[in-house]
Amino acid sequence: RKEVEQDPGPFNVPEGATVAFNCTYSNSASQSFFWYRQDCRKEPKLLMSVYSSGNEDGRFTAQLNRASQYISLLIRDSKLSDSATYLCVVKDNNNDMRFGAGTRLTVKP
Amino acid sequence: GAGVSQSPRYKVAKRGQDVALRCDPISGHVSLFWYQQALGQGPEFLTYFQNEAQLDKSGLPSDRFFAERPEGSVSTLKIQRTQQEDSAVYLCASSLTTGAKQETQYFGPGTRLLVL
Repeated sequence: RKEVEQDPGPFNVPEGATVAFNCTYSNSASQSFFWYRQDCRKEPKLLMSVYSSGNEDGRFTAQLNRASQYISLLIRDSKLSDSATYLCVVKDNNNDMRFGAGTRLTVKP
Repeated sequence: GAGVSQSPRYKVAKRGQDVALRCDPISGHVSLFWYQQALGQGPEFLTYFQNEAQLDKSGLPSDRFFAERPEGSVSTLKIQRTQQEDSAVYLCASSLTTGAKQETQYFGPGTRLLVL
């Protein structure tokens, strides 16, 4: 079983839609959590950190449930430019970052 | 300022050839990481340096893979006797300190390696 699991998608949604991605992790000792975005043939870039209390950045909301070892990302009012692969990332005490395989999102006009 | 840079951006190697991939981290960044990303997968951790010290090499898939960072800045990932399964994108990332909890890593553009 992979340490970080995501639904690979693809998610195909119209502009303006709300879409949610989920991620589960297996290491209960994990300390830090992130969502990265990766465009086709580009490097991953940090989208947002995920805090225990949940956090929001504009149209993006991230939630963490430590008891269920579950992380989510909600995107409201999807834009064409949101089309990308979204990587769930979990970091342990040893500074190792473990990536999920990514969820692919396509936003269509 | 300048981000993480990697060279070459693309490398085609014949099976059995040795390759060397270079990473220039963001100036002043203490931590440096190498990842391997296969098509359709997320990056997989290979190895981690703190300054010149290689603190974790648990992700290196075989003893054909070797990484160094002799002066604590530029790093080289070397793959000896390349095999077709080594074909992937090799990503380098750096972070400012020794990995505080929410500290992020900044990625370079990667080197696409194709082994024929």
